Amino acid sequence: GDSVTQMEGPVTLSEEAFLTINCTYTATGYPSLFWYVQYPGEGLQLLLKATKADDKGSNKGFEATYRKETTSFHLEKGSVQVSDSAVYFCALSSGTSGSRLTFGEGTQLTVNP
Amino acid sequence: DAEITQSPRHKITETGRQVTLACHQTWNHNNMFWYRQDLGHGLRLIHYSYGVQDTNKGEVSDGYSVSRSNTEDLPLTLESAASSQTSVYFCASSESIGSDTQYFGPGTRLTVL
Repeated sequence: GDSVTQMEGPVTLSEEAFLTINCTYTATGYPSLFWYVQYPGEGLQLLLKATKADDKGSNKGFEATYRKETTSFHLEKGSVQVSDSAVYFCALSSGTSGSRLTFGEGTQLTVNP
Repeated sequence: DAEITQSPRHKITETGRQVTLACHQTWNHNNMFWYRQDLGHGLRLIHYSYGVQDTNKGEVSDGYSVSRSNTEDLPLTLESAASSQTSVYFCASSESIGSDTQYFGPGTRLTVL
């Protein structure tokens, strides 16, 4: 079945540091890939998505590239801010799952000033 | 503006009681989902619906039920609450099958004593 594996957290960075959160997946067919973000006390929000191999999703300075050969969708940001502190979830939707999403465990990011 | 709401936001109940969590969306989306969020597990799918009168079991459906009598609402019922069901519950919706971007509610924190 489908599965998503994220790097273990929590991750603590200083402001303006470079961020990478690793995500790899197992899926049948050609899944769409997502990063969702959850700020404290809130629901999840879509951060970015990619629907086919080599697509790059980007939003708010975050980027992730759909790599079919390595089954990965790593999240990156060149310079994090304190306001980026949140939990980040990698997810996929495969052709066999209809509109259902399979989530990774989530990675807690804390950015210190 | 269209939105998705959940109520109550916080609930404390006792083992064995029946509990219903409400989810209401004004997006006019066909698809609705219920997830639970637990530390170390990310989000796990409980039940989902692709339209009125349609309901399906997810990954962790035991002890839960849903009904879909209209487009806007998908209430989640815990038939006989157990301590293992203490969790944060999120409702989400998406437009149609094949439309895989989901929009999440703010969550309900349920404690079963």
